[in-house]
Amino acid sequence: EIVMTQSPATLSVSPGERATLSCRASQSVSSNLAWYQQKPGQAPRLLIYGASTRATGIPARFSGSGSGTEFTLTISSLQSEDFAVYYCQQYNNWPPRDLTFGGGTKVEIK
Amino acid sequence: EVQLVESGGGLVQPGGSLRLSCAASGFTFSSYWMSWVRQAPGKGLEWVANIKQDGSEKYYVDSVKGRFTISRDNAKNSLYLQMNSLRAEDTAVYYCARGRMGIVGLFDYWGQGTLVTVSS
Repeated sequence: EIVMTQSPATLSVSPGERATLSCRASQSVSSNLAWYQQKPGQAPRLLIYGASTRATGIPARFSGSGSGTEFTLTISSLQSEDFAVYYCQQYNNWPPRDLTFGGGTKVEIK
Repeated sequence: EVQLVESGGGLVQPGGSLRLSCAASGFTFSSYWMSWVRQAPGKGLEWVANIKQDGSEKYYVDSVKGRFTISRDNAKNSLYLQMNSLRAEDTAVYYCARGRMGIVGLFDYWGQGTLVTVSS
């Protein structure tokens, strides 16, 4: 099983500032990496896939980078609606089994 | 508009059974892999199981193998999760999620979830 590790667990950021979230895979997942945003009481929402491709309707302030085992999600200028928990997920396997998520990073208001 | 609506959650005793359902609309259900993903209270996300478009392939996380069964009825645009021999650690919100076309391990739409509580 590929273990996904996110850091930090909590990130305190002021509105308008940049946030940088990290995700590490225990083995290479190539670019088969997604990021999701989850707000309290809501389902997760797909933000980024293929490590760097924004999903439909996702603002340009969200960007993803990385490949192999090291990935980053950057939110360039935090808006009030961006305070949430962010999860990375690898989908490198075929057939699509053993899909795994990171433990999440909570982005909170500083 | 893509919609996924889960139902069937509730309180069940350890060792009991429950069947979750997910009603899909707004897309051609029979063309997509579908998954169940769960989230224990205050915890992260865990993929549980997925199923191919025609039901011919099914995969499970190790912790539920032999206890949970995923199935689908394309005529009814519905996904199911039969959960047997339930344990306290199965307590979670269970989400139905659609696999993205061409990237089936990626979840592009999610339902709002249904809560399963396993407790005596």
